[in-house]
Amino acid sequence: QLQLQESGPGLVKPSETLSLTCTVSGGSISSSSYYWGWIRQPPGKGLEWIGSIYYSGSTYYNPSLKSRVTISVDTSKNQFSLKLSSVTAADTAVYYCARRSVVPAAMPFDPWGQGTLVTVSS
Amino acid sequence: EIVMTQSPATLSVSPGERATLSCRASQSVSSNLAWYQQKPGQAPRLLIYGASTRATGIPARFSGSGSGTEFTLTISSLQSEDFAVYYCQQYNNWPGTFGQGTKLEIK
Repeated sequence: QLQLQESGPGLVKPSETLSLTCTVSGGSISSSSYYWGWIRQPPGKGLEWIGSIYYSGSTYYNPSLKSRVTISVDTSKNQFSLKLSSVTAADTAVYYCARRSVVPAAMPFDPWGQGTLVTVSS
Repeated sequence: EIVMTQSPATLSVSPGERATLSCRASQSVSSNLAWYQQKPGQAPRLLIYGASTRATGIPARFSGSGSGTEFTLTISSLQSEDFAVYYCQQYNNWPGTFGQGTKLEIK
């Protein structure tokens, strides 16, 4: 059974870079059938897709965040990572990682990690 | 970017009754529409994909319909565990966009 687990600092200072890692267990991140994504949810608000990465390193970013986001993959560790630069209080959110199947057909995110709260504050 | 609009924002229904939730896309997303359920402190859980296909382990009381720009999630007989927030998401175009959610509360 595939599981995803987010990890990283729970507190980041304004203007600094938020860094999170998603560790995948129970399956290989190198499969050609999946994209791996990051989604966030500010407290009490809705969901926002941040970006996705393929095992080869191809990335897709939400245009609203593209200038500040970098997603990378480490197939040797079965992990993928998120970096969000120049954070402000508006970036305070629960950050989720998730898998998206693309073979044999496009599918939505499933499963998801449990999420990790990142607070931006000095 | 495709905008997803859910209605109503809050729906009050009694246990045992039927709930109908709506989701509208600003342009056609074909049948590439998903519904998620989210309970407090939990990650979203996939209920429906392809507009009408139940995900693994989802009870038959959950059903989805629609295509193009208009979609509906129906819960036929509400159980206590169904009271939660429901989100739709289109995955036809990048970026995959979510609706703002419908909170299903006990009447």
